[in-house]
Amino acid sequence: DTGVSQDPRHKITKRGQNVTFRCDPISEHNRLYWYRQTLGQGPEFLTYFQNEAQLEKSRLLSDRFSAERPKGSFSTLEIQRTEQGDSAMYLCASSFGTGGRMNTEAFFGQGTRLTVV
Amino acid sequence: GENVEQHPSTLSVQEGDSAVIKCTYSDSASNYFPWYKQELGKRPQLIIDIRSNVGEKKDQRIAVTLNKTAKHFSLHITETQPEDSAVYFCAPTGNQFYFGTGTSLTVIP
Repeated sequence: DTGVSQDPRHKITKRGQNVTFRCDPISEHNRLYWYRQTLGQGPEFLTYFQNEAQLEKSRLLSDRFSAERPKGSFSTLEIQRTEQGDSAMYLCASSFGTGGRMNTEAFFGQGTRLTVV
Repeated sequence: GENVEQHPSTLSVQEGDSAVIKCTYSDSASNYFPWYKQELGKRPQLIIDIRSNVGEKKDQRIAVTLNKTAKHFSLHITETQPEDSAVYFCAPTGNQFYFGTGTSLTVIP
């Protein structure tokens, strides 16, 4: 296992198009997170999964964003009808956690840089 | 969700001086307290962490202190070096984790 991987690394799309990103977490990790980061800002929480269940979704996330983790392994993040404001780095992270004492560090993928033109 | 704040947002120190960054959080269920370092154009990476049953942890020039009653924890970097220049994020973790707003540290040679 070489860590968290994200695909693609870069995506340029025209405004109004749909895009889908993939994240493959570390295999033994049950938690998977999606973040969005723009230049000079901290990672902004989008959503997270514990196994296949999507447990939390940011209020800031519009209906154009949807994420899935159908088998509790890889996850996809889809953005429909992209807007220029969606241009950002989309980071995926995974960790092991139960809410109890077993929380571990999160490992990040290298991110997908989205540019909407 | 968790309310996480970091102070200061920017910090400049002379090489060799110490730097301290404080993180306050609101979720009393948080029990794992990591600090991440993000260099320009790279992904965040863990530099030190502490669990709720410990008050302080040190790893060479880096230390973290936790005050669970007051709901804050701090990152301490001693003998700073230019390669410490980066953005640092806290991420208190319970049922999930939220990043702090980040502190941009510049170490001036």
